[in-house]
This record gives sequence, structure tokens and C-alpha cells, in this order.
Amino acid sequence: EPEVTQTPSHQVTQMGQEVILRCVPISNHLYFYWYRQILGQKVEFLVSFYNNEISEKSEIFDDQFSVERPDGSNFTLKIRSTKLEDSAMYFCASSGPSFAFFGQGTRLTVV
Amino acid sequence: AQSVSQHNHHVILSEAASLELGCNYSYGGTVNLFWYVQYPGQHLQLLLKYFSGDPLVKGIKGFEAEFIKSKFSFNLRKPSVQWSDTAEYFCAVNEAAGNKLTFGGGTRVLVKP
Repeated sequence: EPEVTQTPSHQVTQMGQEVILRCVPISNHLYFYWYRQILGQKVEFLVSFYNNEISEKSEIFDDQFSVERPDGSNFTLKIRSTKLEDSAMYFCASSGPSFAFFGQGTRLTVV
Repeated sequence: AQSVSQHNHHVILSEAASLELGCNYSYGGTVNLFWYVQYPGQHLQLLLKYFSGDPLVKGIKGFEAEFIKSKFSFNLRKPSVQWSDTAEYFCAVNEAAGNKLTFGGGTRVLVKP
């Protein structure tokens, strides 16, 4: 079965540092997403990406966040200056015409 | 804006018991409906989906869900659970293929052997 892969599985960073979370979506998918889940809370949408540009973003996705598809296979989420409240599980997803496949997530811990 | 609510946060069952998880959404237009499952330590996996047609949809591992448009509901059922069904279950909605998913809060299901 095709799968979305995310690296790293766990990242610990100091407050104020930049982090880049990486994802390899399924190769023939056209839509890419980042979601996050703060411990004990709902899975929340961050951003969607289609045709090499952001198609939608949530209020959470402020200027500290950016996404990139640098080489046609990877899809990255950058947090420029991490805050304690950015600690969460970050999920990458990709979809074709039907439903979204999710990666295993990156647990980001900001200390 | 869309919202999705799942009525139960935690459910504890014995093996062979029947399971029903409630999901309601708020959105006036046409929606696509999904149930995802997350087994311990694993990623979110699709259990089943509804786009159109027969409102009773069957998914993997013996799960099914019924879309009741008048009630804005998409409840998940399984007649006889197994220990391996221990997981967190998420209902999700989007407005069209490719659009973002709006998730419910999830229901943790523990099946006791």
C-alpha cells in the first residue's frame, strides 16, 4: 500500500529555534496538507498546498510557518521561531481525487 | 464554518460486544464523510468514506457507517469487536475532494479481552 513518510519521528528543540519537518507524499497525489494535534486536543488543519502554492491556511498558520515543495517529492513545514505552544504531533497528508493518506507524524517538543 | 462532534471521548467494551460511535457535523451543503482510525503508535488510516449513493457504507475490518442526512450524522458501527479494535477513532468531513478535513475530537476505544 502506498504511504506518506515523515521525518523525523520525534524532534526536540529549544524555544526560538527554527525547525523543519519533512514529508514525502504519495507520488501521484496532487494535494498536500499539514495538520497538527496538541496533546489531548483535536486534529487541526494548518495548511493545504496544490499546484505549487498554498490553497488554504488556517488561523494557526501565521507568519512563523511556511511550507515548501522544494524538489517535487518532499513537502516541508518550517516553523521559524518555535514557541512552547507549538509542541504537538504534526501530520502530513496527501490526497488524490478521493481521500487523504496520512503520515505517521512528527512529535515536536519545544523546551 | 464546519464543525464535527463525536459524542463519546472514551468507550470501554468487552470482546464480542457491539460498538457504535456517534458523529454529527454542522454544515448545510454537500459533504464527504470519513472515519479514520489510529491504532496505538500508528498513523491515521481510513476506515471508510461516504461521498454519495447508498448511505450505508461498509469499510475495512467489519466496520460500517450510516449517513443520515436529516440528522447530520455519520455513526460508525461494528457488530462484534475484537481486542485488536482498540484504537482512537476520528470522524472527519470535507466539502469536496482535495479540500481540508475537519476532524471530530476522537473517541478512544478500549476493548478488553
